[in-house]
Amino acid sequence: EVQLVESGGGVVQPGGSLRLSCAASGFTFDDYAMHWVRQAPGKGLEWVSLISGDGGSTYYADSVKGRFTISRDNSKNSLYLQMNSLRTEDTALYYCAKDRSTVTPLWFDYWGQGTLVTVSS
Amino acid sequence: DIVMTQSPDSLAVSLGERATINCKSSQSVLYSSNNKNYLAWYQQKPGQPPKLLIYWASTRESGVPDRFSGSGSGTDFTLTISSLQAEDVAVYYCQQYYSTPPITFGPGTKVDIK
Repeated sequence: EVQLVESGGGVVQPGGSLRLSCAASGFTFDDYAMHWVRQAPGKGLEWVSLISGDGGSTYYADSVKGRFTISRDNSKNSLYLQMNSLRTEDTALYYCAKDRSTVTPLWFDYWGQGTLVTVSS
Repeated sequence: DIVMTQSPDSLAVSLGERATINCKSSQSVLYSSNNKNYLAWYQQKPGQPPKLLIYWASTRESGVPDRFSGSGSGTDFTLTISSLQAEDVAVYYCQQYYSTPPITFGPGTKVDIK
């Protein structure tokens, strides 16, 4: 059974940093690209970042480019999102999501339950 | 970037009746070399993460009830729930993966019981 479990969310002041983690199990982790997708309270889904199966390719939404860094440790079946220079508009539930593909993004076939990030003074 | 729009924003349908949700992309998501539409649909119930329903615009994910169907091509797509059940109350999102990054979602359509 595929499982994705996010952690690391919390309350942080504007300008602060957080590191999110996603522990994956139930599939061959390095065979698949992985994503972070966020959802602000009461709003829709916003794709944040993508990393290929081998970690060699990364992509970001313009809204987070230069502030967020996605990475993965395939030996630990883990995905990460380092978030710096956080803004109030980054407040959201952050989902870890598995892609159906290794490199070229397709659709998200599994999602975690999410971890809540609140940016507030 | 490809912009996705959905209509209506919300709809209320009687149990057992048909629900139809529309999704439109700002440019075609049909890849001519393989004749596939790069579009997926998700269902998000309150307090839960999204769940994949359909990919390639019309291929139902394993385990998804056959009352859910997807259709359309190019820029115009439809998700149909043929006979609405109480457990189908949710927000439904379309997503394009034709031109990425960025991956883009529609704004969502909320489905309720009338």
